[in-house]
Amino acid sequence: KAGVTQTPRYLIKTRGQQVTLSCSPISGHRSVSWYQQTPGQGLQFLFEYFSETQRNKGNFPGRFSGRQFSNSRSEMNVSTLELGDSALYLCASSVSGSGANVLTFGAGSRLTVL
Amino acid sequence: DAKTTQPNSMESNEEEPVHLPCNHSTISGTDYIHWYRQLPSQGPEYVIHGLTSNVNNRMASLAIAEDRKSSTLILHRATLRDAAVYYCILRAALYAGGTSYGKLTFGQGTILTVHP
Repeated sequence: KAGVTQTPRYLIKTRGQQVTLSCSPISGHRSVSWYQQTPGQGLQFLFEYFSETQRNKGNFPGRFSGRQFSNSRSEMNVSTLELGDSALYLCASSVSGSGANVLTFGAGSRLTVL
Repeated sequence: DAKTTQPNSMESNEEEPVHLPCNHSTISGTDYIHWYRQLPSQGPEYVIHGLTSNVNNRMASLAIAEDRKSSTLILHRATLRDAAVYYCILRAALYAGGTSYGKLTFGQGTILTVHP
């Protein structure tokens, strides 16, 4: 079956702009979570969605937001981009988000902010 | 958040077994122990997970201490393709609203180097 698909894979933005990243989970998976990965901070949790509801959020400013659609696809948005937002953004899906389920990660969207 | 502690790096020779340790002294009774690995420029890949009993799959084995405060990922015969960053994380079994459910905490992981 198809894996987790993230688009776009690479993008370059300038400071002050906004960006929207998309994540299509594995069919049947209703939980989608997002992570930011940088060389200095490692993998950091952004938020987790289940059935269009955000169940948990990491320690990121309000410029980072997300949503989930009825088909479980998810988007995250970063407004007023800063240089420090340059990172690999990963999403992962699982059946329900329970620890009994396996997380499947996408290949990520690499954002560069100039 | 329940946290895990792993060594920063480990080395192994090809064809030899590798034991990657993980400490999780604050684990709760309903937390699953998961292991993922990440190759350069790729998303993390699932390796194995377990709750209380030792687990085996085609990739690896997971040995869980009786008190569940530590675990060990065992690669029985390391290959060059196993060189990666290995992450041990805890995931809550049930959603109970207002908990850290779904809020994963990744440590720095263990960089595994495999020598030919």
